This record gives sequence, C-alpha cells and structure tokens, in this order.
Amino acid sequence: QSVLSQSPSASGTPGQRVTISCSGSSSNIGSNSINWYQQLPGTAPKLLIYHNNQRSSGVPDRFSASKSGTSASLAISGLRSEDEADYYCAAWDDSLTGWVFGGGTKLTVL
Amino acid sequence: EMQLVESGGGLVQPGGSLKLSCAASGFTFSSYWMHWVRQAPGKGLVWVSRIKSDGSITTYADSVKGRFTISRDNAKNTLYLQMNTLRAEDTAVYYCARGGVNDILSGFSVWGQGTLVTVSS
Repeated sequence: QSVLSQSPSASGTPGQRVTISCSGSSSNIGSNSINWYQQLPGTAPKLLIYHNNQRSSGVPDRFSASKSGTSASLAISGLRSEDEADYYCAAWDDSLTGWVFGGGTKLTVL
Repeated sequence: EMQLVESGGGLVQPGGSLKLSCAASGFTFSSYWMHWVRQAPGKGLVWVSRIKSDGSITTYADSVKGRFTISRDNAKNTLYLQMNTLRAEDTAVYYCARGGVNDILSGFSVWGQGTLVTVSS
C-alpha cells in the first residue's frame, strides 16, 4: 500500500480534459512540494511537473498541476492518444525521512 | 545530452548479493543528489535510497535499510547500489535518477533505462 493515494485508473476521449488526483498527509504533501511523473509503456519514468506546478523542460502546457492542503491534482487538457501512460505523484515525507510515491494512475485514451 | 546508464542487474539466489552501477554523463554529476528507485513487475514506483552530492548523507527506505548501501564516486561520475541478503521481494527493475542540488525542492529530472534484478532460486 502506497503512502500517497491515487485512483488506479482514469480515462478520457481525445480532446477532453482529465484530472488525476493524489492524496497524502501533513508529513508529505501537506508540508513539501509534490512532483508528477509520466511513464509510457515499457519506458523509464519522465518528470512532468516539479515543485507543485512547474512544468519540466519540454512538457507542453496541456499539462498543469495544483496542490491544496494534503492533496494535489494533475490536469491534462486536449487529451491525445500519446498521453496514454501511467502517472505517479511523489513527495518527500518528513516522518519517513524518504521519498514516497503514489501507486500510480493508468490513463486510457478511449 | 544528460544520460544515466545502469548496469549490473541479473539473476541472483535468495540471500545473495549484487552491485548495481549507474554511469552519468552530460551534467556535473558531483553537484546533484542521486537516487535509486525500483519497480517490481507490473507494479508502481518505489523509492529505495538517496545520496547527497558529496556523499556525506545517505538515506534508505525501511524495506532495504541494513541490507543495501548506496555510494558514489564523483571522480568516475558513477553511482552504486550494493545489495546484500537479497529477497524475492527485491525483484524489480532498478532505476537510477538524478535529484536536484536541493533534493526536497526538486524532482527526479533524469532517469536511466533501468536494470532488472531477479531474485530466485
């Protein structure tokens, strides 16, 4: 069981806007910044968003993120077939003294 | 081009040892925190360990504490993970990843391709 909670799956049609949520606690999301990763099938993860809402270099502005309290969300607008991937949230946990990941959300583009 | 290349994975018996390496290029290796992250087959990402840029601070996940040792050689631009007393549940693809100059404020911005470790008799 992951320290950060994510819904296992999400889906949308091309052009649609989808949101992926991540829930944590005061020791991780509540007190530290959150990062988001995209993992395309069969490949290594890629940093999408760092420090809550900063897009990594080369990431299109279709991807955005926000944080409120102990929860965070990643939004993808203008959904494309190439967005089909697993998405993970991650944050430093002060109590565990380590990085924690969400269990991942598998995004399907219908 | 910034690059991380892992090596050293393979098949090992339970209780055995293995040492992973991660060769870095294209950036100033000695300036960054470095991490190991693993992913069991069909499962999610799990952080394993980190080491500060100068090697002075190391941190481990509880699941590997006392069995795994992270180290680095800044002269060789290489990160290591010595894994001892391996268990079946350590079976995973192991990724090395670059953190930031200030670790907690940064994401893992560069990842290797991963190396598979299989623990089985």
